[in-house]
Amino acid sequence: QITLKESGPTLVKPTQTLTLTCTFSGFSLSTSGVGVGWIRQPPGKALEWLALIYWDDDKRYSPSLKSRLTITKDTSKNQVVLTMTNMDPVDTATYFCAHSDSSGWFFDYWGQGTLVTVSS
Amino acid sequence: QSALTQPASVSGSPGQSITISCTGTSSDVGSYNLVSWYQQHPGKAPKLMIYEVSKRPSGVSNRFSGSKSGNTASLTISGLQAEDEADYYCCSYAGSSPWVFGGGTKLTVL
Repeated sequence: QITLKESGPTLVKPTQTLTLTCTFSGFSLSTSGVGVGWIRQPPGKALEWLALIYWDDDKRYSPSLKSRLTITKDTSKNQVVLTMTNMDPVDTATYFCAHSDSSGWFFDYWGQGTLVTVSS
Repeated sequence: QSALTQPASVSGSPGQSITISCTGTSSDVGSYNLVSWYQQHPGKAPKLMIYEVSKRPSGVSNRFSGSKSGNTASLTISGLQAEDEADYYCCSYAGSSPWVFGGGTKLTVL
């Protein structure tokens, strides 16, 4: 059974750096083809893909946010970490992490999401 | 990379069929058979309903089907049920900017 859970601060101040951790079970991020991605959703708005890291440490980023994002993995801890610099109130959103199937083209298991509010 | 275009809302009565469109470009939907669809109930995480245009994950009702023509993908729900009322999002692989989501469609079951 695959499960994922996001953790991190619920409130950050403008200009601060956000660090979110996705802790997962039921699969290994050392298995060929597997990936873990981050997707966010501002309140009442649409989903937006942010980043994804593959089993082989290949990393992909949203072009519009690439300069602010870093994604890393700790295979031994079954964790993926996303950092986003220079947070702004428009970054207020629920942040989801999700498992990407070995085919790599869709997200078949999602965490429950964590709401991050950016406010002074 | 621009978001894929979906209608803001669709509605239907129980038992009817509805179709949600998802329009992209030749750089995403039109170039790859890698469109997926997600159902999201309020306050919940998205759930994968369709992948690779028309494939259903195990456990998803066969009332859900997907298709694609050119730059437009579609999700059809037949035999509409009250529990189908939710937001639906399409997503396409887009090459260099790997994934792009649609703006979402709110389905109302009348």
